[in-house]
Amino acid sequence: DAGVIQSPRHEVTEMGQEVTLRCKPISGHDYLFWYRQTMMRGLELLIYFNNNVPIDDSGMPEDRFSAKMPNASFSTLKIQPSEPRDSAVYFCASSLASGVEAFFGQGTRLTVV
Amino acid sequence: DQQVKQNSPSLSVQEGRISILNCDYTNSMFDYFLWYKKYPAEGPTFLISISSIKDKNEDGRFTVFLNKSAKHLSLHIVPSQPGDSAVYFCAALRMGAQKLVFGQGTRLTINP
Repeated sequence: DAGVIQSPRHEVTEMGQEVTLRCKPISGHDYLFWYRQTMMRGLELLIYFNNNVPIDDSGMPEDRFSAKMPNASFSTLKIQPSEPRDSAVYFCASSLASGVEAFFGQGTRLTVV
Repeated sequence: DQQVKQNSPSLSVQEGRISILNCDYTNSMFDYFLWYKKYPAEGPTFLISISSIKDKNEDGRFTVFLNKSAKHLSLHIVPSQPGDSAVYFCAALRMGAQKLVFGQGTRLTINP
């Protein structure tokens, strides 16, 4: 298995633009997570899905952020409109319901100028 | 509300010596605790875990200790090697909720 795949690896966009981050989880995994890494807060959970259904989105910072999982092999995290403070590394991860550890993708480094 | 805390942003250790990374938590309902390792430009990778019903788990050079009464866990790496230089994240999990709660991370540097 190729592991969790995220795209793009890097994204530079202007303030006010829409940004879409993409994730393909490991096949067969039941859970999908979106995390954001910042210096101050470390890895913070934004939202997670179980069997494509959003379970907890309490970590989503504002209404500008939205996430979807239309099927078991694809998820998106959208920021509209983007702001400079959204600049961070965004990680997608997946796990099995019977498992403990989550497996992470390589991340998308977002820079909003 | 930071449920998992790593109070040391960085740690520097000489090669061959022991590295000790610390983590504190506030929620006594956590069932598992995990350590992840992260290299630059890569995603975090799972290193070792411990169940809340145990107080020690060992895997090669890595040992995790859990002190439930103090709500504290630590990761020991011995002997430390240059390849261990990375950011280490402590995480906690409640089975059923299935979401990992992470600390802020500790950057470990192993000096030759």
